[in-house]
Amino acid sequence: DTAVSQTPKYLVTQMGNDKSIKCEQNLGHDTMYWYKQDSKKFLKIMFSYNNKELIINETVPNRFSPKSPDKAHLNLHINSLELGDSAVYFCASSQRGTGTYEQYFGPGTRLTVT
Amino acid sequence: AQSVTQPDIHITVSEGASLELRCNYSYGATPYLFWYVQSPGQGLQLLLKYFSGDTLVQGIKGFEAEFKRSQSSFNLRKPSVHWSDAAEYFCAVGAEGTASKLTFGTGTRLQVTL
Repeated sequence: DTAVSQTPKYLVTQMGNDKSIKCEQNLGHDTMYWYKQDSKKFLKIMFSYNNKELIINETVPNRFSPKSPDKAHLNLHINSLELGDSAVYFCASSQRGTGTYEQYFGPGTRLTVT
Repeated sequence: AQSVTQPDIHITVSEGASLELRCNYSYGATPYLFWYVQSPGQGLQLLLKYFSGDTLVQGIKGFEAEFKRSQSSFNLRKPSVHWSDAAEYFCAVGAEGTASKLTFGTGTRLQVTL
């Protein structure tokens, strides 16, 4: 029954590795997002997809590549992981055109790069 | 570009006391304003939102917030805090036309003493 789910919840890996985080929403929303929360709890948007089309791409290194196979899924692949990538990554979803714009967040994935 | 300031990094209140968390935003037009709460190790939960109309909005868990355009503020209040309210609180702003992009404040950590 989880509205926005992410896997894995925890991810520990070494520098230089490639990893993926998966996100799924069952709310029927057409827009999904990835946010990064750093060690100081600051939340910053990374990407947003609407109907599988990239609509927001903040200044994120191109080692980060989002992929949206369908409206309900938005995955995040990270190449050549660096220490600075350690953070909590949140997926979120919303429905455009409803005038409400509220976003629903997943539980987060804590990525630790050693 | 929109921005959000939460001047208080950390607030401690006694259980049963009233609470006010401050939020100031910067945006030239009508903002869309949100308060989210993040419990330890959890994702973000929407407490309340403001888009238009009545400037005093009610949310879940007994929270309310008041939009004051003249002060560019959207402060969160609760008349009587419960120990379970201890969490991190985030104010966010979305701009009309780009409301799918939320800009978050740095958060206020609320500690509740018994």
